Amino acid sequence: GESVGLHLPTLSVQEGDNSIINCAYSNSASDYFIWYKQESGKGPQFIIDIRSNMDKRQGQRVTVLLNKTVKHLSLQIAATQPGDSAVYFCAEDVTGNQFYFGTGTSLTVIP
Amino acid sequence: NAGVTQTPKFQVLKTGQSMTLQCAQDMNHEYMSWYRQDPGMGLRLIHYSVGAGITDQGEVPNGYNVSRSTTEDFPLRLLSAAPSQTSVYFCASRGRDRGQSEAFFGQGTRLTVV
Repeated sequence: GESVGLHLPTLSVQEGDNSIINCAYSNSASDYFIWYKQESGKGPQFIIDIRSNMDKRQGQRVTVLLNKTVKHLSLQIAATQPGDSAVYFCAEDVTGNQFYFGTGTSLTVIP
Repeated sequence: NAGVTQTPKFQVLKTGQSMTLQCAQDMNHEYMSWYRQDPGMGLRLIHYSVGAGITDQGEVPNGYNVSRSTTEDFPLRLLSAAPSQTSVYFCASRGRDRGQSEAFFGQGTRLTVV
C-alpha cells in the first residue's frame, strides 16, 4: 500500500498564530492531494486540494504547499481559531479512484 | 440537501453475526467508497465503486462485500463479523471530476464486535 505519513502527531498553537501541518508521501506517481479536517465524532471534511502540476494553492485562511522533489505536503492555517481544533489528514491519490490517508495530526488551539 | 447518510450510527455485533451498513447519497455522485478508521491508523479504503454495477477492492477488503445496484446506494456487508472489524466506518462520495468535486463523507458508523 501507499505510505502517507505525518511528521507530528500533535500540534498546539496559540489562538491567532499561524499553524503548519506537514505530511510526507512516498509514491512519486501521486498526482492529486487533499487535506481533510475531522472534528470529534464527525466524518472528515474537505479543506483544500492540489494537483501535482501546482506547488501552491490558497483558500480561505488555508494554503497548501507541495514539494514534489522531497515528496512533502504542508497545510498552513492563518490566524488559527478555536474552531480549527481538530485532526487533520492528508490524502494522496494515485489511481484516480483510491485515496491513501495519513494517520492524522491533532491540532489544539489554545485560547 | 442530506449529502451522505450512513445508518446505523452505532452497532454492537456478536462474533459470527452478519449485518449491512447502509450508505446513501443524494448528490448523483458516481464515485462512492467505504473506509474504516482505527486509532493511529488513519482511514483505510475497504471497497469503492466508480458507478452503478461496478465495484472494486481497496486496501483492506477481506471480510467485507459490497454491491452498487443504484447510483444512490452503496451498502457494505459483513458476512461473519470478527472482533478485528471493530472500527468506525465511513462512506464517502464524489463526482466524476476530482478537483472539481470535493469528496463528501458521512457521519460514520461505530461498530463493536464482541
